[in-house]
Amino acid sequence: DAGVIQSPRHEVTEMGQEVTLRCKPISGHDYLFWYRQTMMRGLELLIYFNNNVPIDDSGMPEDRFSAKMPNASFSTLKIQPSEPRDSAVYFCASSRPRAYGYTFGSGTRLTVV
Amino acid sequence: DQQVKQNSPSLSVQEGRISILNCDYTNSMFDYFLWYKKYPAEGPTFLISISSIKDKNEDGRFTVFLNKSAKHLSLHIVPSQPGDSAVYFCAAWGSARQLTFGSGTQLTVLP
Repeated sequence: DAGVIQSPRHEVTEMGQEVTLRCKPISGHDYLFWYRQTMMRGLELLIYFNNNVPIDDSGMPEDRFSAKMPNASFSTLKIQPSEPRDSAVYFCASSRPRAYGYTFGSGTRLTVV
Repeated sequence: DQQVKQNSPSLSVQEGRISILNCDYTNSMFDYFLWYKKYPAEGPTFLISISSIKDKNEDGRFTVFLNKSAKHLSLHIVPSQPGDSAVYFCAAWGSARQLTFGSGTQLTVLP
């Protein structure tokens, strides 16, 4: 199993540009989570899906952030327009039904200049 | 308001000694706790967990202790090794189908 796959690994973009982060969960995992890691707040949950349906997006910072899961094997997190304060590492994680732990991807380091 | 708190951002320990990482929580509905370990440029990986019906769980050099009355858990690493240097996240599972993470503690094991 290749694990949770995120792309790109690094993204540098200019303020105001659209950024799209991608995630492929582990096959058979029906939960998918997007987290953001910052020094101040640690790992923050942004949004999670169950069977491709968004369940809780209360962690999404503002309307500039959106996430989709068009099928069981793909999800995107989009920021439009991006701002310097969005600079962070973004992680995707997935889990099996009734599992307590998550499997994380390697993350996307986003830098907005 | 953070429901899971790791008040020590960093900890340095000599190789061979014990490392103790602490975590406090505020939500009494949390019933399962996990520790994750994260190396630079990698995602967090599961390390050890404990159910709220237990007060101790051991796995090799790693032991997690849970004090429900104090809403406190700790991770003990004995003996500490340089390869244990990483960021450690405490996480808690409640009624919502999601993990709540602490802010992490950077452990540095000095050779």
